[in-house]
Amino acid sequence: GQNIDQPTEMTATEGAIVQINCTYQTSGFNGLFWYQQHAGEAPTFLSYNVLDGLEEKGRFSSFLSRSKGYSYLLLKELQMKDSASYLCAVRDSNYQLIWGAGTKLIIKP
Amino acid sequence: EPEVTQTPSHQVTQMGQEVILRCVPISNHLYFYWYRQILGQKVEFLVSFYNNEISEKSEIFDDQFSVERPDGSNFTLKIRSTKLEDSAMYFCASSSPWDEQFFGPGTRLTVL
Repeated sequence: GQNIDQPTEMTATEGAIVQINCTYQTSGFNGLFWYQQHAGEAPTFLSYNVLDGLEEKGRFSSFLSRSKGYSYLLLKELQMKDSASYLCAVRDSNYQLIWGAGTKLIIKP
Repeated sequence: EPEVTQTPSHQVTQMGQEVILRCVPISNHLYFYWYRQILGQKVEFLVSFYNNEISEKSEIFDDQFSVERPDGSNFTLKIRSTKLEDSAMYFCASSSPWDEQFFGPGTRLTVL
């Protein structure tokens, strides 16, 4: 079966750095996406990795290792507005997005 | 900036009734999707649509559900004979072939 695992909840301090991990087992791989979702709102796109390595986008970076079935999202200089759920999703061989359950990130002052 | 729009934002219906959720995807996108998210749970794929036909559907997308692109702009999800467990947020998304999916704001469906 297809499976995406990420921690259920993480807590971090404003101004700090946090790393959210995602491991996946899917039938085929055509890219990995990270989305941010605030409560009651739609997911919004953060990053996309299809090749191994690190993609940096301002305060957010995402890393992929296809051989390990592993990705992480790194958030730097945390702000209170970063409190949200972070969703890892993998596009499989049918180009269907398989979603993780999301990691709820709580930022404390 | 182009965006996906959905109507209504909130739909309340009685069990057994039919509902139609509407979406206007981004105009130059070719792939359209419907997702469901039950409160506090993960996003679940329902169906993808390309070239005027369903390209993929999940186990959730049974005979109760149907999708249609009635004209060049709208993309609809019809749920027949709604059940209590259909209460959820329904998100429409669209994309071009290789890019990320852009989500609409969602329709909150409440079945009483």
